[in-house]
Amino acid sequence: KQEVTQIPAALSVPEGENLVLNCSFTDSAIYNLQWFRQDPGKGLTSLLLIQSSQREQTSGRLNASLDKSSGRSTLYIAASQPGDSATYLCAVRLGGSGSRLTFGEGTQLTVNP
Amino acid sequence: GAVVSQHPSRVICKSGTSVKIECRSLDFQATTMFWYRQFPKQSLMLMATSNEGSKATYEQGVEKDKFLINHASLTLSTLTVTSAHPEDSSFYICSARDAVGETQYFGPGTRLLVL
Repeated sequence: KQEVTQIPAALSVPEGENLVLNCSFTDSAIYNLQWFRQDPGKGLTSLLLIQSSQREQTSGRLNASLDKSSGRSTLYIAASQPGDSATYLCAVRLGGSGSRLTFGEGTQLTVNP
Repeated sequence: GAVVSQHPSRVICKSGTSVKIECRSLDFQATTMFWYRQFPKQSLMLMATSNEGSKATYEQGVEKDKFLINHASLTLSTLTVTSAHPEDSSFYICSARDAVGETQYFGPGTRLLVL
């Protein structure tokens, strides 16, 4: 059974700081990995999708890396802003595009002005 | 990007009543829809997966007679919580994917409070 763990559970940083969120998964035979953002009481917004054959994806100030062999992914946020405050969820998909997503429990990020 | 809507966004009901939540894909055909439940400070737990025109596949521990899912069209799926009880109070999120896409698009969620 795939298990996804995110560390830390919560993180508070001053505005402007660069930060890294960590995600680890137990079964390295993943199809892809996705990072989401969830604002309080809201649904999920997809940030980055990394296919199993890829090492990283970038979008603006966000960079996600994937190391399948070690079962790890990181989400790097550069020059953090108060608007980045949210819960960040990592999810992995096994076995092809039709299979389910398994979510981590998320990292709650607070960026202080 | 693709948009998924949910209605209602928030519902309060009395114990024993049934509540229906709608999930719509607004600009694409959702061949597969997923229903998740999220308790406070916890991650999303998949309840069931439904393909258009087929019966939903429920996750272990999820009662199919209590959580009725209908996916009658390529743009609409409904989740009905039957005879709701306070322990069913949660945040319900639907997600949709088209036949080709790798990405799942998530709805804004429905907050259910059962008194």
